[in-house]
Amino acid sequence: QSMLTQPPSASGTPGQRVTISCSGSSSNIGGNYIYWYQHLPRTAPKLLIYMNNQRPSGVPDRFSGSKSGTSASLAISGLRSEDEADYYCAAWDDILSAPVFGTGTKVTVL
Amino acid sequence: EVQLAESGGGLVHPGGSLRLSCAASGFTFNAYWMSWVRQAPGKGLEWVATIKQDGSEKYYVDSVKGRFTISRDNAKNSLILQMNSLRVEDTAIFHCARRIGRGWFDPWGQGTLVTVSS
Repeated sequence: QSMLTQPPSASGTPGQRVTISCSGSSSNIGGNYIYWYQHLPRTAPKLLIYMNNQRPSGVPDRFSGSKSGTSASLAISGLRSEDEADYYCAAWDDILSAPVFGTGTKVTVL
Repeated sequence: EVQLAESGGGLVHPGGSLRLSCAASGFTFNAYWMSWVRQAPGKGLEWVATIKQDGSEKYYVDSVKGRFTISRDNAKNSLILQMNSLRVEDTAIFHCARRIGRGWFDPWGQGTLVTVSS
């Protein structure tokens, strides 16, 4: 099962802006919506962004998503200690006819 | 409140079987597709299986086809994953999730740990 490519780690100090990239292809990101999930160990993953750039109710506007071509990004502004978690992108893949996840990015707040 | 709670995980020998359950509450269960997603130790999230509202359509990742069966009991608001011929590489935390769209899962359960080891 192919996966979307993310950097393994990202970090920043409190208050900084951190951006996480997600790279795919025309069969997934290029032609479908991107979703972002936040996951802390031993907890339920949480939907952060849906349909490229929409935030569910309750998700702070510090989190924003964007997509361009076959890549997408998640930005966290005003970084806070509680943002320390793993972040995954996801999209539908037209060739696999299945959802694919990114490799995951661990965000550390220094 | 929309909630999903998995159960049934445990330690099993290679070649063994395990049945996972997911209890859903707070929403109209029979109106949604449902899915299982797993995370192996030190690895990322991997979609495993999805089932349509009435159970008439089921989809699986290639690595579990012929070994895992997803099903649901709408009367009991319950999602099931029957896992047979388990392999060491199936060791993972299994999450159930409500499928909203293609790649869109919300919410997720906390997960249940499946360990396949001799």
